[in-house]
Amino acid sequence: QKEVEQNSGPLSVPEGAIASLNCTYSDRGSQSFFWYRQYSGKSPELIMFIYSNGDKEDGRFTAQLNKASQYVSLLIRDSQPSDSATYLCAVNDYKLTFGKGTLLTVNP
Amino acid sequence: NAGVMQNPRHLVRRRGQEARLRCSPMKGHSHVYWYRQLPEEGLKFMVYLQKENIIDESGMPKERFSAEFPKEGPSILRIQQVVRGDSAAYFCASSADRGRTGELFFGEGSRLTVL
Repeated sequence: QKEVEQNSGPLSVPEGAIASLNCTYSDRGSQSFFWYRQYSGKSPELIMFIYSNGDKEDGRFTAQLNKASQYVSLLIRDSQPSDSATYLCAVNDYKLTFGKGTLLTVNP
Repeated sequence: NAGVMQNPRHLVRRRGQEARLRCSPMKGHSHVYWYRQLPEEGLKFMVYLQKENIIDESGMPKERFSAEFPKEGPSILRIQQVVRGDSAAYFCASSADRGRTGELFFGEGSRLTVL
């Protein structure tokens, strides 16, 4: 049974700061990793995916993967109040296994 | 350019009634996934279907729950004899393919309340 662990938070950062969200996974054989954002009462939406060790950047978002440590992170630079949401880490084989999510609050 | 369509968006049932939740995947998508989200909980995988086939139902409760994805029409998640613990948001997602490149597109969810 694959497990994905996230700190539930809440994580609170001031506007303009870097928000760092972390995730660990149990299956060493996992190959692909996803970050979804879910606003309250809404459906999840994909932010980024990463397959290879290292960093992957997309605008203000950077995903980091360390397969040896079984660790995935998401950095959000220049955080905005509109980034306030729950961030879900997921591991994919042919279906996504989600963590419980980390609630991020960006304070103006 | 319709995304994943779910209906009803909100459903209220009394204990013992049946709930039917429908999901139409994005155009061109043949893979459908159902997830359940309890308050303050993450998304829990329930079932993965392709047209006319259940591929993985490892997350489905053994009793009262069933799912189908017929050749024509939407996928349906059926909950018989609902209990209060079934109250949750049920999300459907679809993808164009299976495998590690699969990006899931989620519907807006169906929120079931059992009185």
